[in-house]
Amino acid sequence: GQQLNQSPQSMFIQEGEDVSMNCTSSSIFNTWLWYKQDPGEGPVLLIALYKAGELTSNGRLTAQFGITRKDSFLNISASIPSDVGIYFCAGSKEAQKLVFGQGTRLTINP
Amino acid sequence: ETGVTQTPRHLVMGMTNKKSLKCEQHLGHNAMYWYKQSAKKPLELMFVYNFKEQTENNSVPSRFSPECPNSSHLFLHLHTLQPEDSALYLCASSPPNDRRPFFGPGTRLTVL
Repeated sequence: GQQLNQSPQSMFIQEGEDVSMNCTSSSIFNTWLWYKQDPGEGPVLLIALYKAGELTSNGRLTAQFGITRKDSFLNISASIPSDVGIYFCAGSKEAQKLVFGQGTRLTINP
Repeated sequence: ETGVTQTPRHLVMGMTNKKSLKCEQHLGHNAMYWYKQSAKKPLELMFVYNFKEQTENNSVPSRFSPECPNSSHLFLHLHTLQPEDSALYLCASSPPNDRRPFFGPGTRLTVL
């Protein structure tokens, strides 16, 4: 089946640092989503991308839909303690059939 | 209640038990989903329902039996599970043909 390669798997940073993570696929997608999951909770949608080259921001978060349609990245600027959690990318060719990455676990040292 | 709720939040069951997971959404959506989240594996789509009709079964073993009595409620009936079925089971909903599922908090299932 389709697989997404999400990297890095984990990150340990200092508060205030910027963060960058990405996802790549062997297939073309027409939607990329980025979710965040806190312990004991379900994933929460952060950003949705629908067009190749699209760059979208949500506060300190910025995500881009790669030009090749096979990749996407998420940046977090000036990290704060509440940014801790697991970030997932997800891509789809068809509505309602998302493929998820393995997640990036973000840990922040105060 | 708002959003997507799931009960129970935690469940421990033996391999011979029968149990059910319940999901309810208060968002007016017409599509509902079951996902499985295992340790160190990506989220896996299990089932999709649109307007109460099952439209996707992602090769899920028959020991998992979904039921969708209306657009607001979704159940996952469990019987004769295996220890490897232990996972977080996430329910989600969305408007039909929307590509952005809204997730509930999940049920943490442990099969002994």
